[in-house]
Amino acid sequence: EIVLTQSPGTLSLSAGERATLSCRASQSVSRNSLAWYQQKRGQAPRLLIYDAFSRATGIPDRFSGSGSGTDFTLTISRLEPEDFAVYHCQQYGSAPWTFGQGTKVEVK
Amino acid sequence: EVQLVESGGALVQPGGSLRLSCVVSGFTFRNYGMSWVRQAPGKGLERVATIKQDESEKYYLDSVKGRFTVSRENAKDSLYLQMDSLRAEDTAVYYCARVRSGAGGYDVWGQGTLVTVSS
Repeated sequence: EIVLTQSPGTLSLSAGERATLSCRASQSVSRNSLAWYQQKRGQAPRLLIYDAFSRATGIPDRFSGSGSGTDFTLTISRLEPEDFAVYHCQQYGSAPWTFGQGTKVEVK
Repeated sequence: EVQLVESGGALVQPGGSLRLSCVVSGFTFRNYGMSWVRQAPGKGLERVATIKQDESEKYYLDSVKGRFTVSRENAKDSLYLQMDSLRAEDTAVYYCARVRSGAGGYDVWGQGTLVTVSS
């Protein structure tokens, strides 16, 4: 089973700042099959990025994904007030599909 | 509008059973694999079960094997999760989620239904 470790656990930033979130895999993720989700309090997750760097439908271009192999990054270029949330990564390249534990982006 | 609506969550005693349902609309259900994903209070996401379009393959989280059964009725645009021998550690919000076409990851999620296992 591939274990995904997200860092940091919490990121304290202000609106307008750049956010950089990391997701590290215990083994190489096949075909860069990695997704990022945003989850706001009391809501279901929402797909942001799939296949490591492809934005899902309707996702603003301030969200970008990068990386390959075992190291992946989600970047939010300039935080908007609605971006403060928890972000999860998920790999689906190898069974069983697994999630990271999440990174919370909070208001500084 | 693409929509997934779960129901069936409740408070149940340890050892009890529950059946969750997910009714979909706005897309051709039979063309998509589907999953149940859960989130315990204050915790991360965990895939519980996945079923292929034609039920030819099913996947279960190790800790629920032999206790949970995933099924679907394509004619009714419905996904189900039968949960037996429930334990306290099964307490979570259960989401149904659509597998992204031809690949992996989840591109549509329901709003979730809360299952609480407690005496």
